[in-house]
Amino acid sequence: EVQLVESGGGLVQPGGSLRLSCAASGFTFGNYWMHWVRQDAERGLVWVSRINSDATDTIYADFVRGRFTISRDNAQNTLFLQMSGLRVEDTAVYYCARGGSGYSVDQWGQGTLVTVSS
Amino acid sequence: DIQMTQSPSSLSAFVGDRVTITCRARQYIDTYLNWYQQKPGKAPKLLIYGASSLYSGVPSRFTGSLSGADFTLTISSLQPEDFATYYCQQSYSAPPTFGQGTKVEIK
Repeated sequence: EVQLVESGGGLVQPGGSLRLSCAASGFTFGNYWMHWVRQDAERGLVWVSRINSDATDTIYADFVRGRFTISRDNAQNTLFLQMSGLRVEDTAVYYCARGGSGYSVDQWGQGTLVTVSS
Repeated sequence: DIQMTQSPSSLSAFVGDRVTITCRARQYIDTYLNWYQQKPGKAPKLLIYGASSLYSGVPSRFTGSLSGADFTLTISSLQPEDFATYYCQQSYSAPPTFGQGTKVEIK
């Protein structure tokens, strides 16, 4: 059974940093692209970033480029999202997701809540 | 970014009803259109990919199609467990973008 378990969310002040992790199991992690997608009540589901299977290529949404960094450790079956320069508008549930064909995602974690507030 | 527009934003239906949700892209996306189901407090689940391919384990009452410029998700006979919010997503080009969602409620 595919499992994606996020951790690392929490409350952080504007300008602060946070590192999200996603532990993967039940599939060959190193064979798949991985994504981060976030969701809040105002903007709905919004794609954040994608990393290819061997971590040689990453891509970001415009609103996080330069502030967030996606990475992965295939030996540890773990995906990361390093977030810095956090803004109030970054408040959302962050989902780790497995890539399907193209930019589709076919499996999702349960999400981790990030709250940016003073 | 490719804007995705879903309609309606919400609907009410009875168990057993046939339900149709529509999604339109502002730009050409070929058939790179996916449908997801999300229940309150849960992560989305993939239902349909490539406009019309049923994802593994998804009941056959869910079908996806393309007619002209409109992508459609149809639930042939609505079941109690189908009451949820449905999202379309284009995966043709980065950034992949989602529709605003269609909430299906019990009538």
